[in-house]
Amino acid sequence: QKEVEQDPGPLSVPEGAIVSLNCTYSNSAFQYFMWYRQYSRKGPELLMYTYSSGNKEDGRFTAQVDKSSKYISLFIRDSQPSDSATYLCAMSGLGGFKTIFGAGTRLFVKA
Amino acid sequence: DAGITQSPRHKVTETGTPVTLRCHQTENHRYMYWYRQDPGHGLRLIHYSYGVKDTDKGEVSDGYSVSRSKTEDFLLTLESATSSQTSVYFCAIRGDSNQPQHFGDGTRLSIL
Repeated sequence: QKEVEQDPGPLSVPEGAIVSLNCTYSNSAFQYFMWYRQYSRKGPELLMYTYSSGNKEDGRFTAQVDKSSKYISLFIRDSQPSDSATYLCAMSGLGGFKTIFGAGTRLFVKA
Repeated sequence: DAGITQSPRHKVTETGTPVTLRCHQTENHRYMYWYRQDPGHGLRLIHYSYGVKDTDKGEVSDGYSVSRSKTEDFLLTLESATSSQTSVYFCAIRGDSNQPQHFGDGTRLSIL
């Protein structure tokens, strides 16, 4: 079993839809949780960075962490074609020395 | 954007040849990482560095070596390239503890 599980998709939605992306994990030592966006032929770009459980909002993006269920989510409101990319979840323990990445979910937002 | 430059951006080479990829940062960050990204596997850690001349292995280190003689440069070497090392290679940097990693734009390496 992988430490981090992420549905690879692809996920296709119409413009304006609310998108929900999710990851589950098995290691209860993870304390820091991240979402990266990766466009084709580019490096992953940090979108959201959260510590422990709870919600964090940044514009159209909301990250949720439920440590009791070992489940994290990224919500995208009013999705745009420019949101079409691969989204990677990531997590690390205290000290953040090593980070474990999900395999990524491909998202397509249709105009 | 984090000041990370990877070179070359693309390379095609033959099996058995040595290959060196370079990661250069302008952020003066302590931690640097090399990953490979392959379909179905996501990002896998090859080697990392926690300071000048301080490096350690990741989960897929066989066939790879690294060196860090200056804070700003982290080199990844494939001593004798094999076709299984065809991949996209990403460098990442990180500042102090508990800060997230930031990535370069990758090197696309093809070994024929």
